[in-house]
Amino acid sequence: GQSLEQPSEVTAVEGAIVQINCTYQTSGFYGLSWYQQHDGGAPTFLSYNALDGLEETGRFSSFLSRSDSYGYLLLQELQMKDSASYFCAVRDRENTGFQKLVFGTGTRLLVSP
Amino acid sequence: GAVVSQHPSRVICKSGTSVKIECRSLDFQATTMFWYRQFPKQSLMLMATSNEGSKATYEQGVEKDKFLINHASLTLSTLTVTSAHPEDSSFYICSATPLGWDHNEQFFGPGTRLTVL
Repeated sequence: GQSLEQPSEVTAVEGAIVQINCTYQTSGFYGLSWYQQHDGGAPTFLSYNALDGLEETGRFSSFLSRSDSYGYLLLQELQMKDSASYFCAVRDRENTGFQKLVFGTGTRLLVSP
Repeated sequence: GAVVSQHPSRVICKSGTSVKIECRSLDFQATTMFWYRQFPKQSLMLMATSNEGSKATYEQGVEKDKFLINHASLTLSTLTVTSAHPEDSSFYICSATPLGWDHNEQFFGPGTRLTVL
């Protein structure tokens, strides 16, 4: 089976930097993605890592270490609107060729003034 | 681009009735769509993979006779919750990826909140 573990909740203040970790155990691995979801809303794509290293997209960066089965999402210059749930997800290619996402347990980020 | 819609956004039904949820890709075609279920403050759990022109692939533990999936065209997949019960109350979300996309990103619909009384 597959499992992706994340801290359940992280709190921070505006302007700070926060790191959300994700450790995974999967039978296959085709990259680690990160999604943001506000309460009652749709998940939206943030970033993707296929190879080891850091990917930067504006205030958000994502890191992957395949040898450690570990990744993290780094959020800088936190804003109140960043309060949301964040999910890591792995792509899992089935034998039929379809690709599906398996999501992590999710981390609720609370940003305070 | 790459917009996915769902209808209805909310539905309340009586126990024992069936509910149909539509997922549409508005500006792209998708041979594959995915259906997820999310309980409050929990993660997204994949229920099934909807395949255009063929049978859906269900995840382990998901009853295919209870959650009927039809992917009749390249822009529409439907999920029918048959004989709904209160434990089926949840947030149902679909996702899709455009044909030829490199699949690094999936596009999610806004979700359908189902409440079964």
